[in-house]
Amino acid sequence: AQKVTQAQTEISVVEKEDVTLDCVYETRDTTYYLFWYKQPPSGELVFLIRRNSFDEQNEISGRYSWNFQKSTSSFNFTITASQVVDSAVYFCALSEGAGGTSYGKLTFGQGTILTVHP
Amino acid sequence: EAGVAQSPRYKIIEKRQSVAFWCNPISGHATLYWYQQILGQGPKLLIQFQNNGVVDDSQLPKDRFSAERLKGVDSTLKIQPAKLEDSAVYLCASSQRLDPNEQFFGPGTRLTVL
Repeated sequence: AQKVTQAQTEISVVEKEDVTLDCVYETRDTTYYLFWYKQPPSGELVFLIRRNSFDEQNEISGRYSWNFQKSTSSFNFTITASQVVDSAVYFCALSEGAGGTSYGKLTFGQGTILTVHP
Repeated sequence: EAGVAQSPRYKIIEKRQSVAFWCNPISGHATLYWYQQILGQGPKLLIQFQNNGVVDDSQLPKDRFSAERLKGVDSTLKIQPAKLEDSAVYLCASSQRLDPNEQFFGPGTRLTVL
């Protein structure tokens, strides 16, 4: 069975601080996909990134960066120089690869509430 | 491009009543998902459609929940009868294909069961 754990329930930082959101996953599949979604106060989940299990290259997009380490089953998300607009709930999610019974189905972690204070 | 539309946005009902939620996915998206998000938790998949066929409904409480996607476009999720523990946000999402690519989410319907 798949499982995603986000150990940090809530994080509070002051604007311009860097912050890292942790994500640890469990799966028996060799092919799988990892995602991060943002849920602002409006409630709509916004896609941030998808990685497949064969691509361990770290990715940077503006102030966002992701560190994928298969050895520790982790897919951590860092926001550099945080801003008030980054305040939201962030979800890590996992999906099986082709052939799996959960192909295309997202298993979400419980989410991390990030509050950025001015 | 219009996003995923859901209605109503909010619904308050008494326990044992019935309720229905509607979702219109992004045009051309073959795959449609219904998730239940209980306060303080991540979304949990209830049912997944590919066109008008069900791919996965293993976590749908079939004694009270039902869903359909007639003609492979709009979808309706129904609860009958509702229980207190059904209070949650019901999210609809769609994607172009079945494979695990980006899912686009609607704003959700917040259900309160009293």
